[in-house]
Amino acid sequence: GQQLNQSPQSMFIQEGEDVSMNCTSSSIFNTWLWYKQDPGEGPVLLIALYKAGELTSNGRLTAQFGITRKDSFLNISASIPSDVGIYFCAGQPLYNTDKLIFGTGTRLQVFP
Amino acid sequence: DAGVTQSPTHLIKTRGQQVTLRCSPKSGHDTVSWYQQALGQGPQFIFQYYEEEERQRGNFPDRFSGHQFPNYSSELNVNALLLGDSALYLCASSLRGLGGNQPQHFGDGTRLSIL
Repeated sequence: GQQLNQSPQSMFIQEGEDVSMNCTSSSIFNTWLWYKQDPGEGPVLLIALYKAGELTSNGRLTAQFGITRKDSFLNISASIPSDVGIYFCAGQPLYNTDKLIFGTGTRLQVFP
Repeated sequence: DAGVTQSPTHLIKTRGQQVTLRCSPKSGHDTVSWYQQALGQGPQFIFQYYEEEERQRGNFPDRFSGHQFPNYSSELNVNALLLGDSALYLCASSLRGLGGNQPQHFGDGTRLSIL
């Protein structure tokens, strides 16, 4: 099935460091969403972006909707151990907003 | 305010059997979408239900079918189970608003294992 290109695949960082991950698509998206998934649980919505160029923050998290509408990035500042998990980007295609297309995921490990 | 709830949490079936998974949407939501998440991958869209009708379908065979009830809850049915159907099945709910869909919120999924 179709998946968005998400990078990096995994990150191993020290507590307190900043993290950046991004997601790209070959087609235009109407909405970009970022989710976090912990083991044994479903994805939890972190940030939703609705307009090209939009920059939105949620605590230590900041995400942007790319100007071309084909990409998005997520930054996490001053990482803490509970940031550990898998982060997924997801997009709603421009002419098919009923479904979400997910990225391949970024696995984040934070060491004290 | 209850979030999206799914049942059962785990299920073991054998090849050729049929299975029914259940989902109750978040309070105030009217749209339910189903996703299949294989190990190590992102969720894949199966279909979406709104007003008790299938509105959109992903690249899944007819063995996958669904239903939405008047109270907005939903079922996912899979017939003639294959080993490759082993996955985490996620339900997501949202509210169809003017100008487009609101974000989808996910349940914790049903882990289906096929032996």
